Amino acid sequence: AQSVSQHNHHVILSEAASLELGCNYSYGGTVNLFWYVQYPGQHLQLLLKYFSGDPLVKGIKGFEAEFIKSKFSFNLRKPSVQWSDTAEYFCAVISDSNYQLIWGAGTKLIIKP
Amino acid sequence: NAGVTQTPKFQVLKTGQSMTLQCAQDMNHNSMYWYRQDPGMGLRLIYYSASEGTTDKGEVPNGYNVSRLNKREFSLRLESAAPSQTSVYFCASTIGGRGAFFGQGTRLTVV
Repeated sequence: AQSVSQHNHHVILSEAASLELGCNYSYGGTVNLFWYVQYPGQHLQLLLKYFSGDPLVKGIKGFEAEFIKSKFSFNLRKPSVQWSDTAEYFCAVISDSNYQLIWGAGTKLIIKP
Repeated sequence: NAGVTQTPKFQVLKTGQSMTLQCAQDMNHNSMYWYRQDPGMGLRLIYYSASEGTTDKGEVPNGYNVSRLNKREFSLRLESAAPSQTSVYFCASTIGGRGAFFGQGTRLTVV
């Protein structure tokens, strides 16, 4: 069965620290990859997405993610986090087999001011 | 504004009561989903509809029913609410593999 793993359930960082959130998926075919963010009390919003082409994709608010096909990974990065990045981050995958969204369990990110 | 509209935003039910959560999208998306979000458990798929006229069970369908009324609307019904159904519910829609758009969520409390 297809699955998505997010390695860390909780991450606590200080402002200006660098961030990397891990995401691995299990599916051997073609996939579209997404990172969503949910700020406290709000609904999920698309942060960035990868369909094809350059494996390094840039999203909103200074986030980027790199698709490494050989590692089945799509890790989210930000060079310098801000207090306003405190949120929950979800990795998701859609495969070309059934177009169902498969979600990771989420990572709660807390940025200390 | 185009997007996914979900109602109501908040609801309190007594155990055994029924209610329907409404969801509509105006983006001409084929697929629609209902998720519940619980602390520490991420998003869990309740039901989904790959296209108008079809619905399928997701990961946690027990206690719920759905109806894909037309391409725009996908409703979720709780026939007899239970405290275990206290959660935040999200509706989402997608077209092909292009990513999901979410509604604002419904915070449901069953007492």
